Amino acid sequence: NAGVTQTPKFRILKIGQSMTLQCAQDMNHNYMYWYRQDPGMGLKLIYYSVGAGITDKGEVPNGYNVSRSTTEDFPLRLELAAPSQTSVYFCASRPGTEASPLHFGNGTRLTVT
Amino acid sequence: TQLLEQSPQFLSIQEGENLTVYCNSSSVFSSLQWYRQEPGEGPVLLVTVVTGGEVKKLKRLTFQFGDARKDSSLHITAAQPGDTGLYLCAGGGADSGYALNFGKGTSLLVTP
Repeated sequence: NAGVTQTPKFRILKIGQSMTLQCAQDMNHNYMYWYRQDPGMGLKLIYYSVGAGITDKGEVPNGYNVSRSTTEDFPLRLELAAPSQTSVYFCASRPGTEASPLHFGNGTRLTVT
Repeated sequence: TQLLEQSPQFLSIQEGENLTVYCNSSSVFSSLQWYRQEPGEGPVLLVTVVTGGEVKKLKRLTFQFGDARKDSSLHITAAQPGDTGLYLCAGGGADSGYALNFGKGTSLLVTP
């Protein structure tokens, strides 16, 4: 069972470069999320989607963009990378009921120098 | 944003000891979840508590949801090195597409 798959696992970017973090899930979940995790800071919500074609901002959306053209895929785009975007990024999905589990990918560790 | 405060932030104990991790908020949650995260991996769900006063047991782990549904605790009996990891509590509602708000986590190290 693949679950939530994130690529790449690691990436180093120079300031000002752009990249897309890929996320795909095979559980037919409508709800998908991007979080970033910084040491000692927990997980912060960047963007979320409640279904194909519908996305919205979370707590820390500045510097990021998302799209959701299919149920399976939810890529996160970084434009003009900044050192403050150095973090571990997690994609997650859930069926949508309030007490359902959040299924996470294994993360992308991004360093911007 | 519904804030969740976890304590302690770090815990280093020896194998066989007991420990309790706390998760507190000023907000009422319809449910709270506990996740465990190992290095290089995403968090994995341990338990969901939904009823005020509820107690759930998962082998040596005991989870409690406060009567007012504002707080929760995780108690580990006779900790083992395999319990080492980051423990995260999380809660949320229908806002933000049922996204969860996470506490900052408790980093547990159990040494033999």
